[in-house]
Amino acid sequence: GEEVAQTPKHLVRGEGQKAKLYCAPIKGHSYVFWYQQVLKNEFKFLISFQNENVFDETGMPKERFSAKCLPNSPCSLEIQATKLEDSAVYFCASSQSRQTEAFFGQGTRLTVV
Amino acid sequence: DQQVKQNSPSLSVQEGRISILNCDYTNSMFDYFLWYKKYPAEGPTFLISISSIKDKNEDGRFTVFLNKSAKHLSLHIVPSQPGDSAVYFCAASLNYGQNFVFGPGTRLSVLP
Repeated sequence: GEEVAQTPKHLVRGEGQKAKLYCAPIKGHSYVFWYQQVLKNEFKFLISFQNENVFDETGMPKERFSAKCLPNSPCSLEIQATKLEDSAVYFCASSQSRQTEAFFGQGTRLTVV
Repeated sequence: DQQVKQNSPSLSVQEGRISILNCDYTNSMFDYFLWYKKYPAEGPTFLISISSIKDKNEDGRFTVFLNKSAKHLSLHIVPSQPGDSAVYFCAASLNYGQNFVFGPGTRLSVLP
């Protein structure tokens, strides 16, 4: 597609439930990034992929968070046993190569109640 | 420890005048810098970028200046328009896009 597509737009989960977010990068883009934005503050980098391989996961919480980018499928970010502090807008971005800008999706707003 | 700083949380400018948004960074290894604009309930939109081998990049009304010795960059918008009212984020990366580090943003209001 011509834009980064994130689904769902909104997601509400009870504390302890699982949340799964999806991202379809722009066609032809090799890099995918996930960011978390809490309370309109700065973007916190979570993880990046080069095609289906994890490129940089230095921002991923060691527990409860996992992500995948499999061939011919949207990328996904999964949070097991959500906590109230996971409430945030999760943005996905993709870029054509390491030397170009990243284009962002509209975000998924996760609310944990 | 914030590696990318935008010390002005907000800025108001009259329509038609110049808007100057500033950004400072601490990591001298950053070699690629970008500016994004964000409207409420939307994802950030890429505006302009600059690599560390340049000190200026221009695209229409938007110009980014980079001062590597001062670890400072700025975005100039001339002339400012009401539609430019948004939050502007500065971002930096190592190795051309390996991982983008964002500043906290500056809210620009362009008054008619």
